[in-house]
Amino acid sequence: GESVGLHLPTLSVQEGDNSIINCAYSNSASDYFIWYKQESGKGPQFIIDIRSNMDKRQGQRVTVLLNKTVKHLSLQIAATQPGDSAVYFCAERAGNQFYFGTGTSLTVIP
Amino acid sequence: EPEVTQTPSHQVTQMGQEVILRCVPISNHLYFYWYRQILGQKVEFLVSFYNNEISEKSEIFDDQFSVERPDGSNFTLKIRSTKLEDSAMYFCASSEPTSGETQYFGPGTRLLVL
Repeated sequence: GESVGLHLPTLSVQEGDNSIINCAYSNSASDYFIWYKQESGKGPQFIIDIRSNMDKRQGQRVTVLLNKTVKHLSLQIAATQPGDSAVYFCAERAGNQFYFGTGTSLTVIP
Repeated sequence: EPEVTQTPSHQVTQMGQEVILRCVPISNHLYFYWYRQILGQKVEFLVSFYNNEISEKSEIFDDQFSVERPDGSNFTLKIRSTKLEDSAMYFCASSEPTSGETQYFGPGTRLLVL
């Protein structure tokens, strides 16, 4: 089966610092990757995506980096805020199916 | 801002009973999905639906599961004979007609099978 996993289950950062959340994937045929944020009791919320023909994509305060050589995906959050506290997980698309990682719990310390 | 809605928010059922989980996707979206998330575990893809038919389904989506778009607004997931292991949070998602990629998730239905 497919394997999408996260390197760290928890991450604590000081408010204002930058956060980096990592994700490893196993399917070299995956062509599309997404980062989601999930707050307690809510559904996943789309943050940013990237296609496999790109290495980097920037959004508002977020950047996704894709390293296809080592099958690694990262999410960088600039100037982390208390409202960023949530579980973050990556997902990959292989064929027409989406595979999700387990998630990293980000806690922002005021 | 338009959003995906799901009903009920919670459902408790007896093992062997049928349940129908309902979703109202965002109105101009054409791609629809069901996912489940067992407590403490990762989100798992169940099925995708486009143009009134299933476009992809996972191994989890066996004959006990079915989906339907009975009218122009609802998208349902039916579990014919629930098992204890079907207890999970079920998320519906929809995506835009142009990209079919950015998925917007509903708040989920928490299903508990006793």
